[in-house]
Amino acid sequence: DTGVSQNPRHKITKRGQNVTFRCDPISEHNRLYWYRQTLGQGPEFLTYFQNEAQLEKSRLLSDRFSAERPKGSFSTLEIQRTEQGDSAMYLCASSSWSGNTEAFFGQGTRLTVV
Amino acid sequence: DQQVKQNSPSLSVQEGRISILNCDYTNSMFDYFLWYKKYPAEGPTFLISISSIKDKNEDGRFTVFLNKSAKHLSLHIVPSQPGDSAVYFCAARLDLTGKLIFGQGTTLQVKP
Repeated sequence: DTGVSQNPRHKITKRGQNVTFRCDPISEHNRLYWYRQTLGQGPEFLTYFQNEAQLEKSRLLSDRFSAERPKGSFSTLEIQRTEQGDSAMYLCASSSWSGNTEAFFGQGTRLTVV
Repeated sequence: DQQVKQNSPSLSVQEGRISILNCDYTNSMFDYFLWYKKYPAEGPTFLISISSIKDKNEDGRFTVFLNKSAKHLSLHIVPSQPGDSAVYFCAARLDLTGKLIFGQGTTLQVKP
């Protein structure tokens, strides 16, 4: 396993367009997280899946954002009607349900809305 | 409300010396603290962690200290190496979901 994989690495889109990002977690990890990081800030939690169930969503996740993890494996994050304020690095992380285990992050998808 | 704060945006140290990165938190319910390192254009990489029931954890050149009464933790890197130059994030876990609350990060530069 090569770790958490995210695609695409970079995405430039026009305001108002929809975008979708994909995350492939470490295969044996049943927990998956999405975070967003803007310049000069630490990652901010967006949402959390345990297997295929989305168990928590941050208030940061507006109605234009939707995340899925249909079979408890890969996950997608879709942003509809993108706005310039959505420009950020979107990070995916995964971990296993076994005590105090750290989350492993992917390399992120850098979104630029022009 | 910033529950995890890293008040020093940057730190510069000489190779071979000690690097000390600090982190303060406000929520006494955090049960687990972690440090991540991040290089440009990459995701954060886990470095070291500490449970709230401990006050020290050591892994090679890296040691994390936790002072619960002061709600403060620090990461010591000894000896510092140029390859340690990166952004370091302190993170805290609030509940069993495993979600993390991050500080703003400290950019460490280790000069040869």
